[in-house]
Amino acid sequence: AQKVTQAQTEISVVEKEDVTLDCVYETRDTTYYLFWYKQPPSGELVFLIRRNSFDEQNEISGRYSWNFQKSTSSFNFTITASQVVDSAVYFCALSERNNDMRFGAGTRLTVKP
Amino acid sequence: DVKVTQSSRYLVKRTGEKVFLECVQDMDHENMFWYRQDPGLGLRLIYFSYDVKMKEKGDIPEGYSVSREKKERFSLILESASTNQTSMYLCASSRLVKNTGELFFGEGSRLTVL
Repeated sequence: AQKVTQAQTEISVVEKEDVTLDCVYETRDTTYYLFWYKQPPSGELVFLIRRNSFDEQNEISGRYSWNFQKSTSSFNFTITASQVVDSAVYFCALSERNNDMRFGAGTRLTVKP
Repeated sequence: DVKVTQSSRYLVKRTGEKVFLECVQDMDHENMFWYRQDPGLGLRLIYFSYDVKMKEKGDIPEGYSVSREKKERFSLILESASTNQTSMYLCASSRLVKNTGELFFGEGSRLTVL
């Protein structure tokens, strides 16, 4: 069965620090999709990125970057020069072709001014 | 702007009451989902639907049922609420087949069962 592990329950950093959120997944499928979502204090989860299993190219979007490594079954998320507005719970998720999306337990990031 | 709307942000119910959580999406998505979110457990799938009048069980369907009479509306029903159903309930929809595409979430309904 597919599984997503986010080992970091809570992370606290000071503004402008870089921070990496870890995500390790398990799947037997060769075709799968990985996601990151952000849940700010308002509660609504917001989609950040989707990556399919055939595309290992790393992605950068402003201060956000994602490192996908099939060899270690990891899909880590880095925020560069963190800001207070980045404070949220971040979820990593995995879906396979014939299975529904599974979420990790989430990592609560607190960015202090 | 795409929108998933959940009818109630906060509810307080008593044990044994029947509870309806409503969800409406305006994106013409085929796929709709109900998750519950609990600290340390992430999001767990309760039920989902890939078409009108169609429903499938997720990981934790016990104590819940769903209804999808119209494409845009997906309701979660707690037939007889219990205290262990106190949780945050999240509705989501997606466009692509099954879960291969991004999910659009509502703001959540926080249910407290006393």
